[in-house]
Amino acid sequence: NAGVMQNPRHLVRRRGQEARLRCSPMKGHSHVYWYRQLPEEGLKFMVYLQKENIIDESGMPKERFSAEFPKEGPSILRIQQVVRGDSAAYFCASSQFRGNQPQHFGDGTRLSIL
Amino acid sequence: GQQLNQSPQSMFIQEGEDVSMNCTSSSIFNTWLWYKQDPGEGPVLLIALYKAGELTSNGRLTAQFGITRKDSFLNISASIPSDVGIYFCAGPDATNKLIFGTGTLLAVQP
Repeated sequence: NAGVMQNPRHLVRRRGQEARLRCSPMKGHSHVYWYRQLPEEGLKFMVYLQKENIIDESGMPKERFSAEFPKEGPSILRIQQVVRGDSAAYFCASSQFRGNQPQHFGDGTRLSIL
Repeated sequence: GQQLNQSPQSMFIQEGEDVSMNCTSSSIFNTWLWYKQDPGEGPVLLIALYKAGELTSNGRLTAQFGITRKDSFLNISASIPSDVGIYFCAGPDATNKLIFGTGTLLAVQP
């Protein structure tokens, strides 16, 4: 999928545990976006980051969810104290610049909460 | 907020048939994107449209950016079994986050 790498592809957690999802953008891309997809629905925006900065986190729940994109290494979406409702597919996309640049998606992490 | 409505919700066609689906919005978009998502995978960009009235092709796929900037359509000609999947339209809002449509599920019978 155009070079955006996400891992793990599948993640199972028990209620109350932490989930960490990783995304390495396409080479040369410094803009990263996280989306969540529930079954049979479209993708919903969560957070937009540029290296070391959160640009827009308007779609991310205020509690338990956080995201970072450090100077070195992948972007991380972290969900603390997971609940059943967090079960979903989480997709990362990247673009080279801001503005009218198409976003290219990874294959997602499917999070299942037991 | 901005919403994108896609129709039809699902289509069941015979191999070789042409397909048309569209996407409408209550507000203006300056870019329209069409993605295809296969089961268990992420969306793959098919076509990007940047100007009102623009008509762009990618193989058997053709998409148009509506003159009003509030709609777009996607045509697939001579469908084949591997066209099966969910097709999403999407457009960036003012802060560049993508708003996704509700999706059109395409099933192609050989």
